[in-house]
Amino acid sequence: QVQLHQWGAGLLKPSETLSLSCALSGGSFRTYYWSWIRQPPGRGLEWLGEVSQGGGTKYKPSLLSRITMSIDTASNVFSLRLNSVTAADTAVYFCARGAASGTYSDYFDYWGQGSLVTVSS
Amino acid sequence: DIEMTQSPSSLSASVGDRVTITCRASQSITTYLNWYQQKPGKAPKLLIYGASTLQSGVPSRFSGGGSGTDFTLTITSVQPEDFATYFCQQSHRTVYTFGQGTKLEIK
Repeated sequence: QVQLHQWGAGLLKPSETLSLSCALSGGSFRTYYWSWIRQPPGRGLEWLGEVSQGGGTKYKPSLLSRITMSIDTASNVFSLRLNSVTAADTAVYFCARGAASGTYSDYFDYWGQGSLVTVSS
Repeated sequence: DIEMTQSPSSLSASVGDRVTITCRASQSITTYLNWYQQKPGKAPKLLIYGASTLQSGVPSRFSGGGSGTDFTLTITSVQPEDFATYFCQQSHRTVYTFGQGTKLEIK
């Protein structure tokens, strides 16, 4: 069955770059969108952006200057980079598969296990 | 961005109770509304998509309804494993947005 396994550095200093990766197993990148979603401790969920199999991306506008998502179909991995992090970026980050009937994710049906990223000096 | 507002923020119920959570969108999202369940330390789990379609493997005591701006998630007979936080999410427009969550607690 489809599984997403994510990894990356968990403790960053302000101004450093957050880098997370998510490996897909048991499925294909085709016809889906691949998202990153975060959840600050004790708070709600925030969608950050998504990448398609072809490398096309959609980002949350407020993050445009800092965010990059990429996909490596040969390795079955997609990734998130967020530059110039601050304490406000402290959160659990999830990767997720977006099932799509068109050019948008209709819903997120598979999720990674989550990665806690803490930004602290 | 489309704002999603859930009510109540928390809810106490006993096993066997019927509970309903509501979600309101700041503009019409037709039926592009999804519901997730999240337990502490875990990723969200998809329960319902397209406002009313039950995800495979989700018990039939969960149901969803609504269209336009007003939606509901109903659990007809709450079971011990249902105590969790529930989020709605709109997929009508990027930026996809979530409600703030409703925590279902044991009475």
